Amino acid sequence: GEDVEQSLFLSVREGDSSVINCTYTDSSSTYLYWYKQEPGAGLQLLTYIFSNMDMKQDQRLTVLLNKKDKHLSLRIADTQTGDSAIYFCAERIGFQKLVFGTGTRLLVSP
Amino acid sequence: SAVISQKPSRDICQRGTSLTIQCQVDSQVTMMFWYRQQPGQSLTLIATANQGSEATYESGFVIDKFPISRPNLTFSTLTVSNMSPEDSSIYLCSVRTSGGAGGEQFFGPGTRLTVL
Repeated sequence: GEDVEQSLFLSVREGDSSVINCTYTDSSSTYLYWYKQEPGAGLQLLTYIFSNMDMKQDQRLTVLLNKKDKHLSLRIADTQTGDSAIYFCAERIGFQKLVFGTGTRLLVSP
Repeated sequence: SAVISQKPSRDICQRGTSLTIQCQVDSQVTMMFWYRQQPGQSLTLIATANQGSEATYESGFVIDKFPISRPNLTFSTLTVSNMSPEDSSIYLCSVRTSGGAGGEQFFGPGTRLTVL
């Protein structure tokens, strides 16, 4: 089946690390993605990981993939107020389709 | 990456009318898609826009309601036909740049549609 789940809300203090979690159900996923959506804006591609990798790091962002448990996480180091947004994880099913999670609203307080 | 623009950015329409949304990319891309984001919801794929042939629609979406054109590798249109208030959503164009099988997939800024 195609189902991607995320927790709805995360609140952190500026300077702390944020960890946003995602679980998915389709074991045939080829790529997994993290997107950021700010109010009134489109989706910004943050990072993505190929399904045969277990970790990818890009500056403040670290993606961990546990394929056995179908669990994906995004860690944001030194979280800033500008990181406040909705974060969507998505899995690619087959060649064409991305299936999105419900989105996690991250609130960073000073 | 790819720079994607959409027109219009937002519109308010009367029920029963149709709206055509344009998507323009600054470079040739292999794959173009149309997604819908209903208020407070996640994104759902409407269809894959195929150059020179009919679009491929996902379950629950039909050509009569959402006709799509893709005349070349940089441009596509989505029409929302015979609109009802349930069609109020953000419609987003998405592209994949690298050879189709590659990873990166980008989204446009979206068209925010309100149907009265």
